[in-house]
Amino acid sequence: NAGVTQTPKFRILKIGQSMTLQCAQDMNHNYMYWYRQDPGMGLKLIYYSVGAGITDKGEVPNGYNVSRSTTEDFPLRLELAAPSQTSVYFCATGTGNTEAFFGQGTRLTVV
Amino acid sequence: AQSVSQHNHHVILSEAASLELGCNYSYGGTVNLFWYVQYPGQHLQLLLKYFSGDPLVKGIKGFEAEFIKSKFSFNLRKPSVQWSDTAEYFCAVNADNYGQNFVFGPGTRLSVLP
Repeated sequence: NAGVTQTPKFRILKIGQSMTLQCAQDMNHNYMYWYRQDPGMGLKLIYYSVGAGITDKGEVPNGYNVSRSTTEDFPLRLELAAPSQTSVYFCATGTGNTEAFFGQGTRLTVV
Repeated sequence: AQSVSQHNHHVILSEAASLELGCNYSYGGTVNLFWYVQYPGQHLQLLLKYFSGDPLVKGIKGFEAEFIKSKFSFNLRKPSVQWSDTAEYFCAVNADNYGQNFVFGPGTRLSVLP
């Protein structure tokens, strides 16, 4: 099993550009999460989903959007990229009663 | 809102030294507790978890943690560290009343000198 797969692994964006970070899971987990990781700050929750068709904001949702049309996929959309969105982004899944399982991360630089 | 604090930002130890990393959380209800490890350039991997039962939890690679409910703490320990334990360690909490979201501490960077 692949587990949680994130693409791309690295990306450089110019200010104002848009992009979608992909996250796919084959674990049949209902819960999916997007976190960003900044040095010394731990992981901050951007958006989460408790199942297909259901999404909700986390702690730091501004500048991002998500959708959850299937159980497997949970893409994160950045509109009008800003330097403050330079970060490492992690997608994670869970069942609500287990630990979170993480993808390998996407390192995004906005210049 | 839930919060998680970790006592040390950066810990430096020599090989074979004992390790204890502190973690405290703010939520007063029933919580699930986790320690994750992140090796340089990699994603987070689970070290151990506590849901219920024995408050002393054993994880992988010789790590253990003790849940002390009265102190809202979940400290991570290892009796003898190795150079390969050099990594960043994150404490995390989730709870039913928080939508089962995981709240992470800021992390503790551990450097083990050979």
